[in-house]
Amino acid sequence: GAGVSQSPRYKVAKRGQDVALRCDPISGHVSLFWYQQALGQGPEFLTYFQNEAQLDKSGLPSDRFFAERPEGSVSTLKIQRTQQEDSAVYLCASSLDPQMNTEAFFGQGTRLTVV
Amino acid sequence: SQQGEEDPQALSIQEGENATMNCSYKTSINNLQWYRQNSGRGLVHLILIRSNEREKHSGRLRVTLDTSKKSSSLLITASRAADTASYFCATEKTGGFKTIFGAGTRLFVKA
Repeated sequence: GAGVSQSPRYKVAKRGQDVALRCDPISGHVSLFWYQQALGQGPEFLTYFQNEAQLDKSGLPSDRFFAERPEGSVSTLKIQRTQQEDSAVYLCASSLDPQMNTEAFFGQGTRLTVV
Repeated sequence: SQQGEEDPQALSIQEGENATMNCSYKTSINNLQWYRQNSGRGLVHLILIRSNEREKHSGRLRVTLDTSKKSSSLLITASRAADTASYFCATEKTGGFKTIFGAGTRLFVKA
């Protein structure tokens, strides 16, 4: 597609519910990032994939957060047993090649509200 | 914790004036990027400056990078009401993969 696509755009989850957020990166982009952005704050890094390999997951806040990119394209961020503090906008970004020092393109994000 | 820190946190100017935002970071970097985010929208990439570059221009935008001071500035000339947004700097650490964002500068341009 023309840009990074995320779905759903909005998600309301009851506390304790599991959620799955999807990211379709730009075709051919090697690098994929997930970020969490709380209201009024900058995006906080969660995890990074290079193709299907998850090379950095240091930003995942707890073991309730899990991300995968099994075929090196679409990625899913899963949050188990959601808590109110998980409410945020989850942003996905992709970039062409980690060796090429190029910009990252962001999706519109998924706004998660845990009630 | 976030590596980049923007200054000021908020800036209010009149249309036609110039706006300058600064960013400081802590470690050596491959590149530094500036992004804009309108309320409730995604991040839009503005400009990328590599660690071996000192200045870049794009339209009304001018970015400088001083690696010795670990700082960057974004200048928007002849501002417009449509420039009202949050502006973030983001750094890619040397030898790393992740791009780290600051907390942003909220710019308000009054018509």
